[in-house]
Amino acid sequence: GAVVSQHPSRVICKSGTSVKIECRSLDFQATTMFWYRQFPKQSLMLMATSNEGSKATYEQGVEKDKFLINHASLTLSTLTVTSAHPEDSSFYICSAFSGGPTDTQYFGPGTRLTVL
Amino acid sequence: RKEVEQDPGPFNVPEGATVAFNCTYSNSASQSFFWYRQDCRKEPKLLMSVYSSGNEDGRFTAQLNRASQYISLLIRDSKLSDSATYLCVVNAGKSTFGDGTTLTVKP
Repeated sequence: GAVVSQHPSRVICKSGTSVKIECRSLDFQATTMFWYRQFPKQSLMLMATSNEGSKATYEQGVEKDKFLINHASLTLSTLTVTSAHPEDSSFYICSAFSGGPTDTQYFGPGTRLTVL
Repeated sequence: RKEVEQDPGPFNVPEGATVAFNCTYSNSASQSFFWYRQDCRKEPKLLMSVYSSGNEDGRFTAQLNRASQYISLLIRDSKLSDSATYLCVVNAGKSTFGDGTTLTVKP
């Protein structure tokens, strides 16, 4: 199946710093990628839809100035958590649809962010 | 009311048991449906798609009832390795996840 990678897998940072997370589709082109957040024992919540070459579409309640999304190419989307605070600590996961007749959503392995 | 609702469980079953999970969705315009499996602290992985005609993959059977807006997953002959959280996913332009049902299979 298609492969989506994320980097880093884990990051610990101090409050107030910014953290960038990369999401790459390794063997297919993804014009659209999705960013999710998952808190412990809760479901995945869609944060935003990342569109190659255009602005991201954010879900209600997600601050676009805090969670900056850049979809610079057909294989790379980045999420930057600006001025991170402890409440931003979460599991961030990206995904992309592989396209074609069996269009399937593939998830990256996730990035565990801990803000001290 | 949540867009996608699942029984959170947990379901604790012995090896070899048959277990069924249910999921209801509220958006009648939903177009596609999936079951994902998520292991602790890992990303979700696609288990199977769900079709109106029903589909089976080994010990797993998924069913969709559009009229009742209801999806099910049946696992037969449970294995220890089936222990995980099972997520119901409904697509209506974007993916909406249920909160998941936790299954623990015990020896």
